[in-house]
Amino acid sequence: DGGITQSPKYLFRKEGQNVTLSCEQNLNHDAMYWYRQDPGQGLRLIYYSQIVNDFQKGDIAEGYSVSREKKESFPLTVTSAQKNPTAFYLCASSIPAGGLTDTQYFGPGTRLTVL
Amino acid sequence: KNEVEQSPQNLTAQEGEFITINCSYSVGISALHWLQQHPGGGVVSLFMLSSGKKKHGRLIATINIQEKHSSLHITASHPRDSAVYICAADYGGSQGNLIFGKGTKLSVKP
Repeated sequence: DGGITQSPKYLFRKEGQNVTLSCEQNLNHDAMYWYRQDPGQGLRLIYYSQIVNDFQKGDIAEGYSVSREKKESFPLTVTSAQKNPTAFYLCASSIPAGGLTDTQYFGPGTRLTVL
Repeated sequence: KNEVEQSPQNLTAQEGEFITINCSYSVGISALHWLQQHPGGGVVSLFMLSSGKKKHGRLIATINIQEKHSSLHITASHPRDSAVYICAADYGGSQGNLIFGKGTKLSVKP
């Protein structure tokens, strides 16, 4: 079945360590996104990528880095520079349609807790 | 500032009731999305609409462009509808420029 997978579902790290969250899709979508969700707040865009080897900062990119070496994969690294990394992270993908919005398909999410 | 406001924040209903969740946005948009987030965190896209009304099973989404307002209706609600419902507005421009509401937590009691 086509879809988006994120792993792991729960992740624990010590403060000061970098951690990489995985996101893989087999929907053949060009665009991929990373969102962060905090209690009582809407989803906020961290990074997005419209095509392989290209990505753009979202609203809250500081302390995060991404790569897009393959169409299927868009890993997110939470660096030690991110001041409050404990959150729920959602990955999404879509088929961009010439600048028009398109339905985004979401992964199951990864809950990161920094101890 | 582009904003999205949802109401109510929390909603409790009895099974079978008709549910309405509201979403208002501040300026013109190119599309509005309704999403459903299950207790485990997974998010599913329910609707994307730019005008009029869409229906899928017991779910109906409407949008009024002039009033900058959208509603999500659930007919004959069921406990399995319990989830957080999120609206997100696309204000155009580059891809990924969605502004999300804070969500409405719906609990349907049997």
